[in-house]
Amino acid sequence: AQTVTQSQPEMSVQEAETVTLSCTYDTSESNYYLFWYKQPPSRQMILVIRQEAYKQQNATENRFSVNFQKAAKSFSLKISDSQLGDTAMYFCAFTPRRAGGTSYGKLTFGQGTILTVHP
Amino acid sequence: EPEVTQTPSHQVTQMGQEVILRCVPISNHLYFYWYRQILGQKVEFLVSFYNNEISEKSEIFDDQFSVERPDGSNFTLKIRSTKLEDSAMYFCASSGRTGGLEKLFFGSGTQLSVL
Repeated sequence: AQTVTQSQPEMSVQEAETVTLSCTYDTSESNYYLFWYKQPPSRQMILVIRQEAYKQQNATENRFSVNFQKAAKSFSLKISDSQLGDTAMYFCAFTPRRAGGTSYGKLTFGQGTILTVHP
Repeated sequence: EPEVTQTPSHQVTQMGQEVILRCVPISNHLYFYWYRQILGQKVEFLVSFYNNEISEKSEIFDDQFSVERPDGSNFTLKIRSTKLEDSAMYFCASSGRTGGLEKLFFGSGTQLSVL
């Protein structure tokens, strides 16, 4: 079984500053995907960024980047130039990648980190 | 970008009643999922559905739950006899290949309140 742990229940940051959200996971799988999802007050689940475990290069999407440390089973999210619209709950999620299987969509989520961006 | 549509956005029901939550996945997707999120807690996987049958389900998905794809476009979650603890946000999701990459799309959720 996989577990995902987000040890920071809440974080805050000033607008335009940088913040890093932590995530660790535990799995015996060798091939998998990791994700960060954003959930604003509307409660919609919005994909922020994804990382494929077999790629050593850290994923980047505009102001969002990850620090993926496979050996340490760590997957942190860095938000640069924070904006007020980044205020949301952020979930880290994991899914094993099995060839031809449906496990791609079976995500295990962490507990979430509430991020507040202050003006 | 394509969307997964869920209706209703909010459903109120009495304990013991049956509810059906409806979802329209993205049209060319083949894999469908239901997740739930109790307020203040993490999102939990309920069930995955492929080729007109359940491919995986969690411990939460007991005999009170069922899923169906009745007409090739809708994907429904039925709770036969609701309990207070079924109150949660229920998310439908579907996955398929977009631009060569497989991607999971979530709907905006149905908030179920059991009184």
